[in-house]
Amino acid sequence: AQSVTQPDIHITVSEGASLELRCNYSYGATPYLFWYVQSPGQGLQLLLKYFSGDTLVQGIKGFEAEFKRSQSSFNLRKPSVHWSDAAEYFCAVGVSGGYQKVTFGTGTKLQVIP
Amino acid sequence: DAGVTQSPTHLIKTRGQQVTLRCSPKSGHDTVSWYQQALGQGPQFIFQYYEEEERQRGNFPDRFSGHQFPNYSSELNVNALLLGDSALYLCASSFSPSGGGETQYFGPGTRLLVL
Repeated sequence: AQSVTQPDIHITVSEGASLELRCNYSYGATPYLFWYVQSPGQGLQLLLKYFSGDTLVQGIKGFEAEFKRSQSSFNLRKPSVHWSDAAEYFCAVGVSGGYQKVTFGTGTKLQVIP
Repeated sequence: DAGVTQSPTHLIKTRGQQVTLRCSPKSGHDTVSWYQQALGQGPQFIFQYYEEEERQRGNFPDRFSGHQFPNYSSELNVNALLLGDSALYLCASSFSPSGGGETQYFGPGTRLLVL
């Protein structure tokens, strides 16, 4: 069975600073990988996804993520954080070749300070 | 184009009662998945419906059941509510031409409080 680990429960960054959120997955084959963002009391919005091909994936709101098979990682990055980026971020892994059961990590809460 | 919609937005029930949550998928989508998100946790997969049948189920008891209608909308039913069922219930829809890896789009959720 697949699993996802987000080692950082809470991260605080200054506005304008760079951001990297870590995600490690466990799955026997090539995974489908996703990053979602959730604002307080809201549903999940897809930031970006990786299925195959180029390992550097561009998403919405200036986010990008890099798939590293050797490290089983799919870290999310943004070069300059805005106050509106404060939210909770979830990494998720889907099963390739099967139905779309998606397993989520426990999330990383991002706080942005002025 | 409307996205995924869910109703109601909030719900308060007491222990032992039954609840029904509703979801309308994004236009063009044929698959609906349900997730439970407890406070401070990531979403947990409950089950998925495709062609009006449950085709995958997570680690949830039989008290959790569902249905998909011919128009692809779906219901989640929870019987004999427990305090621990208090959570945000998320519906996600997708299009399944090949049955694997398609992106799921989430609704805003229904927040259920069990007293």
